[in-house]
Amino acid sequence: QVQLVQSGTEVKNPGASVKVSCKASGYTFTDYYIHWVRQAPGQGLEWMAWINPNSGGTKYAQKFQGRVTMTRDTSITTASMELSRLTSDDTAVYYCARGKEYSGLDYWGQGTLVTVSS
Amino acid sequence: DIVMTQSPDSLAVSLGERATINCKSSQSVFYSSNNMNYLAWYQQKPGQPPKLLIYRASTRGSGVPDRFSGSGSGTDFTLTISGLQAEDVAVYYCQQYYGTPRTFGQGTKLEIK
Repeated sequence: QVQLVQSGTEVKNPGASVKVSCKASGYTFTDYYIHWVRQAPGQGLEWMAWINPNSGGTKYAQKFQGRVTMTRDTSITTASMELSRLTSDDTAVYYCARGKEYSGLDYWGQGTLVTVSS
Repeated sequence: DIVMTQSPDSLAVSLGERATINCKSSQSVFYSSNNMNYLAWYQQKPGQPPKLLIYRASTRGSGVPDRFSGSGSGTDFTLTISGLQAEDVAVYYCQQYYGTPRTFGQGTKLEIK
């Protein structure tokens, strides 16, 4: 069965960086993009970016340009998202999700809570 | 950016009745070369990740009950839940995947009356 398993809760100081990983299993990793979506406490969903695990190509929301880096390692079917220069506004649950370039997101990770606090 | 606006923000419906949620995009999400609307609906229950209900505006996701249906085209879309069940209490989001960023609506909270 398709699974996306994310890394655990993170607590970071303002100005630091965080890296969240997403381990995929149950399907051919390079056949689907990995999208990243975040959700601040009590708020809605915000799409951040996608990575094409086949080519390594990426696309980011303008809001996160220069601050987010996405990578993948096909040997361990894992995608990662690193967000730098964290502020309290980055406190959120970060989700990875599977999809095509133009499709709905059909499988989601369990979410990773990132708390930014001094 | 394409702005997605849902209405209403919250909704209370009696068990067994119909719930209707609307989603309007600030520009068309219809891709004419393949005749598809690039619009999805998700259901999110507390403490859980979102679940894909509908894609291409009207195609149900895998395992989604047929009481969930999607309609609309261009800029105006509707999610209908026929015969509301207690397990349908959740927040529902629309999302366009026509443009970047892939924007979501603000969400509609569905409760039982």
